[in-house]
Amino acid sequence: DGGITQSPKYLFRKEGQNVTLSCEQNLNHDAMYWYRQDPGQGLRLIYYSQIVNDFQKGDIAEGYSVSREKKESFPLTVTSAQKNPTAFYLCASSSARTNTGELFFGEGSRLTVL
Amino acid sequence: GNSVTQMEGPVTLSEEAFLTINCTYTATGYPSLFWYVQYPGEGLQLLLKATKADDKGSNKGFEATYRKETTSFHLEKGSVQVSDSAVYFCALSARNGQNFVFGPGTRLSVLP
Repeated sequence: DGGITQSPKYLFRKEGQNVTLSCEQNLNHDAMYWYRQDPGQGLRLIYYSQIVNDFQKGDIAEGYSVSREKKESFPLTVTSAQKNPTAFYLCASSSARTNTGELFFGEGSRLTVL
Repeated sequence: GNSVTQMEGPVTLSEEAFLTINCTYTATGYPSLFWYVQYPGEGLQLLLKATKADDKGSNKGFEATYRKETTSFHLEKGSVQVSDSAVYFCALSARNGQNFVFGPGTRLSVLP
């Protein structure tokens, strides 16, 4: 089945450690996105990529980094510079070929920093 | 810039009650409009969408009509079930997935 796979689903890390969240899609979508969701709040855009080897900062990029070496993959690294990394992270993708522009989401990764 | 406003939650209803969650938007041009649903601990799933004025999106008993004159896209369901308990997000896309804007979400709890 086509879709977006995020891993791991749950991740615990000590303060000061970098962590990398995986996002893989087999939908052949050009664009990929990372969002952060805090309890009881909406979604905030961290980074997005419209094409391989290119990406742009979203609204809250500080303390995060990404890469887009392959069309299928868009990993997110939460660095030690991120002051409050505990959150639910959502990866999404979309196709530039459709007129509606809807986003398809993965199941999310919950990061807890101890 | 583009924005989406949703009614504040949480919304608590009894099973079989009528549901309305209000959503209004501000955007230039003709955006596509969406409702997404998020069940506890999961990602967002597309519930329904509409791409032009007067379009009605529908799915699983939920409906929403794209009203350009009132810049609204209210979500309705005639008879909610306990399994509809979730967070509902209204959203718009200005251009092929770019400039995707979400509302803050409305938590719905349906009691048996």
